[in-house]
Amino acid sequence: AQSVSQHNHHVILSEAASLELGCNYSYGGTVNLFWYVQYPGQHLQLLLKYFSGDPLVKGIKGFEAEFIKSKFSFNLRKPSVQWSDTAEYFCAVLNTGGFKTIFGAGTRLFVKA
Amino acid sequence: DVKVTQSSRYLVKRTGEKVFLECVQDMDHENMFWYRQDPGLGLRLIYFSYDVKMKEKGDIPEGYSVSREKKERFSLILESASTNQTSMYLCASSLSINGELFFGEGSRLTVL
Repeated sequence: AQSVSQHNHHVILSEAASLELGCNYSYGGTVNLFWYVQYPGQHLQLLLKYFSGDPLVKGIKGFEAEFIKSKFSFNLRKPSVQWSDTAEYFCAVLNTGGFKTIFGAGTRLFVKA
Repeated sequence: DVKVTQSSRYLVKRTGEKVFLECVQDMDHENMFWYRQDPGLGLRLIYFSYDVKMKEKGDIPEGYSVSREKKERFSLILESASTNQTSMYLCASSLSINGELFFGEGSRLTVL
């Protein structure tokens, strides 16, 4: 069955530290990949997405993610986090032509000011 | 601006009660989804619909049903609520099956 694994459930960083959140998925076919973010008290929203083309995609607020097909990975990165990046981050995968977007368990990021 | 509205932010119900959760989107999206969000489990798909009156089971449909009589409205029904259905319920819509999901703010249901 298709699944998404996020390596860290909780991450605590100081401001200006670099961030990398791991995401691996299990599916052999063509996929669309997403990172969603949920800020405290707000609804889930799209951070960035990959459908095809350049495997390095850029999203809002300075986030980027790299799709490595051979590793079935789609890790999220940010060079320098801010206190306002405190949120829960979800990796999600949708097989092309399918209907179900599968989500990882989420990673809670806390950034200390 | 894209808008997905869930009718109730917080509900408290008793075991055995019937529960309706309503979701309305104003983007003319074909596809609508109901997920539940639980700590450490992420989001799990309950049901989805890709057209009016069409519905498909997701990964955890047991104990739930849905209704889509109009394009903009997708309702989740718990026929007889149980304590293990205490959760955050998220409605989402998308323009295309392979596209971005737009979420509502969620409905936090507590079943006593």
